[in-house]
Amino acid sequence: NAGVTQTPKFRVLKTGQSMTLLCAQDMNHEYMYWYRQDPGMGLRLIHYSVGEGTTAKGEVPDGYNVSRLKKQNFLLGLESAAPSQTSVYFCASSYTAGGAGQPQHFGDGTRLSIL
Amino acid sequence: QQQVKQSPQSLIVQKGGISIINCAYENTAFDYFPWYQQFPGKGPALLIAIRPDVSEKKEGRFTISFNKSAKQFSLHIMDSQPGDSATYFCAAIYHQTGANNLFFGTGTRLTVIP
Repeated sequence: NAGVTQTPKFRVLKTGQSMTLLCAQDMNHEYMYWYRQDPGMGLRLIHYSVGEGTTAKGEVPDGYNVSRLKKQNFLLGLESAAPSQTSVYFCASSYTAGGAGQPQHFGDGTRLSIL
Repeated sequence: QQQVKQSPQSLIVQKGGISIINCAYENTAFDYFPWYQQFPGKGPALLIAIRPDVSEKKEGRFTISFNKSAKQFSLHIMDSQPGDSATYFCAAIYHQTGANNLFFGTGTRLTVIP
């Protein structure tokens, strides 16, 4: 009964380094999302995917790339980390677009610090 | 531009009191309004949700009141308990296949004092 699993849970990077955050879901959901959460700003959508092999930009996509090669996995990449990308990152998934009876299910987050 | 405006940013309530969190929206295409609850170190989880054709929905101590004409909705937590201390997000969604259509408020940090 894993639901949505994010790895790693914590990471510290130096400016300019790259890394990939992994999200895996075992609910056979079509839709997957990456959000960042910053104090006072709520959840902001970075990128999302409506199915295997598809991705689209959200509200704050700059500096991030994503891939959805397998239905159950959604990867978030930082090519050249910047201090402004220090945040808590959440992955979510949903069966469809998250409407009635089909909410988004969230992972427990990745806390990322860029020095 | 914030699609869903939420207030207050933080709220302190005594145990047994009523907690009220308010949200407002402009887009009349929204057709589903969920509330998410988030505990420290965890991701948000669906708490309760309402359709716009219903004025109120109650689940235990949690009630959503919905005012379609004013484009406002609120979460009421009756008999608030310390275990309710969390961050609450309202959200609004409209149905459009193949697109992202879920928008979150900025969150309210609730603290219930014993």
